[in-house]
Amino acid sequence: GDSVTQMEGPVTLSEEAFLTINCTYTATGYPSLFWYVQYPGEGLQLLLKATKADDKGSNKGFEATYRKETTSFHLEKGSVQVSDSAVYFCALTGGNTGFQKLVFGTGTRLLVSP
Amino acid sequence: SQTIHQWPATLVQPVGSPLSLECTVEGTSNPNLYWYRQAAGRGLQLLFYSVGIGQISSEVPQNLSASRPQDRQFILSSKKLLLSDSGFYLCAWSVSGGRKPQHFGDGTRLSIL
Repeated sequence: GDSVTQMEGPVTLSEEAFLTINCTYTATGYPSLFWYVQYPGEGLQLLLKATKADDKGSNKGFEATYRKETTSFHLEKGSVQVSDSAVYFCALTGGNTGFQKLVFGTGTRLLVSP
Repeated sequence: SQTIHQWPATLVQPVGSPLSLECTVEGTSNPNLYWYRQAAGRGLQLLFYSVGIGQISSEVPQNLSASRPQDRQFILSSKKLLLSDSGFYLCAWSVSGGRKPQHFGDGTRLSIL
């Protein structure tokens, strides 16, 4: 079946550091890929998305590129802020799971210190 | 624009009591609707989803049930809560059809005593 693998957390960075959170996936066909962010005590917010190979999703300084050859969708940000501290989830829809459901990774906690 | 409302935000219930969590979506028609549970510090577990009124798919066998009495209303219920039902419950919606992201409510934190 479809699956999403994220790097283990927490990821601890100082303010203004470069961020990479790795995400790889297993799915047949051509899934759509998403990154969600969850701030403490809140629901998930869609951060960015990509629907086909080589698409780059971007939002709020975050970027991720859909790499079909490496089945990856790594999240990057050039300069993190304390306010970026949250849990980040990579997810896909499509493939064997179909398009009605999302398959989530386990989440990666990011802690940014001043 | 579309909005999703979940209530209550927090709930403390004794073991063996009933449960009803409600979720409503505004600004769209015939959405797909979802219930998830998130245990403390863990990932998301899909509990139920619905593609239309009265159509419920269960992902995990348990003592919870879901109903969709109206197009934009999704209810999560239990007749008798267990300690293991504690967690953070999230409702989500998406546009029907393929390749659409889901949009989440603010969640309900349920504590069972």
